[in-house]
Amino acid sequence: EIVMTQSPATLSVSPGERATLSCRASQSVSSNLAWYQQKPGQAPRLLVIGASTRATGIPARFSGSGSGTEFTLTISSLQSEDFAVYYCQQYYNWPRTFGQGTKVEIK
Amino acid sequence: EGQLLESGGGLVQPGGSLRLSCVASGFTFSIYDMGWVRQSPGKGLEWVSTISGRGDSTYYADSVRGRFTISRDNSKNTLYLQMNSLRDEDTAVYYCEGGWNWGQGTQVTISS
Repeated sequence: EIVMTQSPATLSVSPGERATLSCRASQSVSSNLAWYQQKPGQAPRLLVIGASTRATGIPARFSGSGSGTEFTLTISSLQSEDFAVYYCQQYYNWPRTFGQGTKVEIK
Repeated sequence: EGQLLESGGGLVQPGGSLRLSCVASGFTFSIYDMGWVRQSPGKGLEWVSTISGRGDSTYYADSVRGRFTISRDNSKNTLYLQMNSLRDEDTAVYYCEGGWNWGQGTQVTISS
């Protein structure tokens, strides 16, 4: 099983600042990585697939990068609606696995 | 953009059974792998099971293998999850996902 490790667990950021979230895989997943955003009481929302391709309707301030075992989600200028929990997921092989999440909170 | 609507959740005693359904619309259901992901209270996301577009391949998390069965009816654009021998630790919101779409989830509670 591929273990996905996200860091940090919690990120305190002021509105308008940049946020950088990390996701590490225990073995290579090539570019088969997705990022999701989840707000309380809501379903996850797809942000990025293929490590770097924004999903339909996702603002340009969200960008994904990386391949192999190291991945980054960057939010260039945090808006109030971006405070949420973010998950990475590998879909390279079975079982599909998620990271434990990074909570982005208001500083 | 596609839509997924889950149903079938509820309160069940340990050892009981439930069948979840997920109706898809707005995308070509039959060409996509479809699956279930769950989230226990206050916890992260856990992949449960996936079925291929034609229904000829299925995959399960170790935690549910042998107890849960995933299936689909492409003529009805519907995905199913038959859950047997339910345990307390199966309590979660169950999300249907596929084609990069997610449903809003259905609550499953296992309690005596």
